[in-house]
Amino acid sequence: AQRVTQPEKLLSVFKGAPVELKCNYSYSGSPELFWYVQYSRQRLQLLLRHISRESIKGFTADLNKGETSFHLKKPFAQEEDSAMYYCALIRDGSARQLTFGSGTQLTVLP
Amino acid sequence: NAGVTQTPKFQVLKTGQSMTLQCAQDMNHEYMSWYRQDPGMGLRLIHYSVGAGITDQGEVPNGYNVSRSTTEDFPLRLLSAAPSQTSVYFCASSPPGTVSQYFGPGTRLTVT
Repeated sequence: AQRVTQPEKLLSVFKGAPVELKCNYSYSGSPELFWYVQYSRQRLQLLLRHISRESIKGFTADLNKGETSFHLKKPFAQEEDSAMYYCALIRDGSARQLTFGSGTQLTVLP
Repeated sequence: NAGVTQTPKFQVLKTGQSMTLQCAQDMNHEYMSWYRQDPGMGLRLIHYSVGAGITDQGEVPNGYNVSRSTTEDFPLRLLSAAPSQTSVYFCASSPPGTVSQYFGPGTRLTVT
């Protein structure tokens, strides 16, 4: 079965510092990978997906199939980036069923 | 559009009681799903539906029933609540042709 691992439950960085949230997955097929974000008192929302290869709010994520990783990066963290971040995958042919990691709570300190 | 709405926001049940969590969307999305969010475990899929009249089980379906009589509504029923069902429940929907999902605000359920 597929699995998504986010090794850091909590991550704190200072404003302006680079940030990297780690995500590793185990799945033998060709998954689609996502990052979802949940800001305080807001609903979960899609941040980015690997297929689109976009930069959203300064965040990027590259799918590394060799290392089965999909780390989320931002060169200069902002206080408004403080939130819970979830990495998730959809396995091929699974009718949009998301498998989530356990989440990383990012705090950006002033 | 109101997007995905969920009621109630909060609920406390006693063990053995039953209740229905409501989920509705006004975006004509054919795909809808229910997740539960538990500390340290992320979100886990309970049930999903690819269209009216079609439902299927996710990763953790035991103790929950769903039905999809209309495109708009996807209620989740707890048949006999147990303390292990204390969680935050999220409903999500997705339009045709995309895997991106839109989440509701959640229902926080406590079973005592």
